[in-house]
Amino acid sequence: QKEVEQDPGPLSVPEGAIVSLNCTYSNSAFQYFMWYRQYSRKGPELLMYTYSSGNKEDGRFTAQVDKSSKYISLFIRDSQPSDSATYLCAMTGSSGSARQLTFGSGTQLTVLP
Amino acid sequence: DSGVTQTPKHLITATGQRVTLRCSPRSGDLSVYWYQQSLDQGLQFLIQYYNGEERAKGNILERFSAQQFPDLHSELNLSSLELGDSALYFCASTSGGGSQADTQYFGPGTRLTVL
Repeated sequence: QKEVEQDPGPLSVPEGAIVSLNCTYSNSAFQYFMWYRQYSRKGPELLMYTYSSGNKEDGRFTAQVDKSSKYISLFIRDSQPSDSATYLCAMTGSSGSARQLTFGSGTQLTVLP
Repeated sequence: DSGVTQTPKHLITATGQRVTLRCSPRSGDLSVYWYQQSLDQGLQFLIQYYNGEERAKGNILERFSAQQFPDLHSELNLSSLELGDSALYFCASTSGGGSQADTQYFGPGTRLTVL
């Protein structure tokens, strides 16, 4: 079993829809949680960064972390065709095996105009 | 543009060969990370250097090696190449103290095809 599980999709939604992307993890030592966006043939770019549990909002994007359930989410409101990309969750911690940044396999999202 | 540069963009070679991938971090960044991204394995951490010293090792094969030079650029050497080594290789850099919790800025990647 992988340390970080992410539904690979593909996920296809109409423009304006609310998108929910999720990851689950098994290592309770993870403390820092990130979402990266990767456009086709490009390197990943950091979208959201959260520490420990809670919510963080940035424009149309909201990241949620539930450490008790070992579950993180990224919500995209009013989705746009320009949001079409692969979204990767990533996480790391301060100790032991968690110190290495571990990525989910990515969810491919297409927003249809 | 993240400020991280990688060369070459594409590389096509044959099995058994050796190649070198190059990465220049963002100006002032001391840490360089190498990742391999393949369709079946996703983005896998290979190795990290901080100011010229190896800081952390991930799932890096013994056929692979890396180094970081005094000017902070880094090279990833892949030898005895196999078909399964075909992948995108990314370099990332950070400005912090070398923790993997620091925000990583990724380069555009090198696409390696082994025939």
